[in-house]
Amino acid sequence: QKEVEQDPGPLSVPEGAIVSLNCTYSNSAFQYFMWYRQYSRKGPELLMYTYSSGNKEDGRFTAQVDKSSKYISLFIRDSQPSDSATYLCAMSAVKAAGNKLTFGGGTRVLVKP
Amino acid sequence: DTEVTQTPKHLVMGMTNKKSLKCEQHMGHRAMYWYKQKAKKPPELMFVYSYEKLSINESVPSRFSPECPNSSLLNLHLHALQPEDSALYLCASSQEPGQYGYTFGSGTRLTVV
Repeated sequence: QKEVEQDPGPLSVPEGAIVSLNCTYSNSAFQYFMWYRQYSRKGPELLMYTYSSGNKEDGRFTAQVDKSSKYISLFIRDSQPSDSATYLCAMSAVKAAGNKLTFGGGTRVLVKP
Repeated sequence: DTEVTQTPKHLVMGMTNKKSLKCEQHMGHRAMYWYKQKAKKPPELMFVYSYEKLSINESVPSRFSPECPNSSLLNLHLHALQPEDSALYLCASSQEPGQYGYTFGSGTRLTVV
């Protein structure tokens, strides 16, 4: 079993819909949770960063962390074709040696006009 | 300047060649990282530099040799690579080793022939 599981998709939604992404994890030591967006042939871009449990909102993006269920989510409201990309969750333990991130496998999202 | 700049963007090299990848950031970040990413896979950590010192080597073969000449610059020296080393090589940085909001560069797409 992988430490971080993420549905690879593809997830296809119409423009304007809410995109719902999630990851599950097995390591209870994870405390820092991130979502990255990666366009084809580009480096990942940090979208959201959350410490411990709770919700965080930034514009059209909302990140949720439920540590009791070992489950994190990212919601994208009013989705646009430009949101079409691969979304990677990543997480790390507190002060893990060398600051190592563990990534999920990524979910490919396609927003259709 | 909020970017991590990687050069070259594309590199084709033979198995007997020696080449280097370069990464620069001028954000004052004190941790820098090399990742390798194969198609449709998440990034895999190779090396971590913390305050210009190598703090993690994820059992990377010696044909990959990292170097951190100063706090803004990170190199990856390549020698006697194999075709299976073809991948997107990503550099990233974070403000402090304990902070997890990585900024990634756009990567160098390496092809070994």
